Amino acid sequence: ETGVTQSPTHLIKTRGQQVTLRCSSQSGHNTVSWYQQALGQGPQFIFQYYREEENGRGNFPPRFSGLQFPNYSSELNVNALELDDSALYLCASLAGGSTGELFFGEGSRLTVL
Amino acid sequence: QKEVEQDPGPLSVPEGAIVSLNCTYSNSAFQYFMWYRQYSRKGPELLMYTYSSGNKEDGRFTAQVDKSSKYISLFIRDSQPSDSATYLCAFHTGGFKTIFGAGTRLFVKA
Repeated sequence: ETGVTQSPTHLIKTRGQQVTLRCSSQSGHNTVSWYQQALGQGPQFIFQYYREEENGRGNFPPRFSGLQFPNYSSELNVNALELDDSALYLCASLAGGSTGELFFGEGSRLTVL
Repeated sequence: QKEVEQDPGPLSVPEGAIVSLNCTYSNSAFQYFMWYRQYSRKGPELLMYTYSSGNKEDGRFTAQVDKSSKYISLFIRDSQPSDSATYLCAFHTGGFKTIFGAGTRLFVKA
């Protein structure tokens, strides 16, 4: 059973640029969530995808968008990057159901200069 | 009032000590209560998961939930240097998002 993998692990962008982060779900998991974790804070929910549709969203602006593919892999896109977008972006897959048990990848650390 | 309150620490203890980590919450809709452990530069990993008031034990770890007081705890017995990490409490209503505390940094000194 493969775990959740994310790429890239680190990246540096400048303000105003766009970024795409990628995630492969754990085998057998059809739901993926994305979280943003600022330094010294807990993860904050961005959105969740189930069967290629967004089915839940946190308090993030529309410039944060996502996709889920038929193989359950996922992308997070952030447009018009701001300095405050600097954070660890975590992808988590769920086996299904609604118990909240998340299986996280190691994250993509984004620095916006 | 914040939905979840967690003391960020850091908490430093000698090897072998009993560690107590705590969170309070305000949302009565929370049904599932979790503890995640996060090592430096890694993603969080699920450590303990409960859905009712009371205690749940797994090896050296005990999770305690008091719904009437809106208070959850994680106890670590015989703490080891390998337990040094950030511990995140987490809550779920049964919907689509999990709410995390800010995390408590724990250092266990050999």
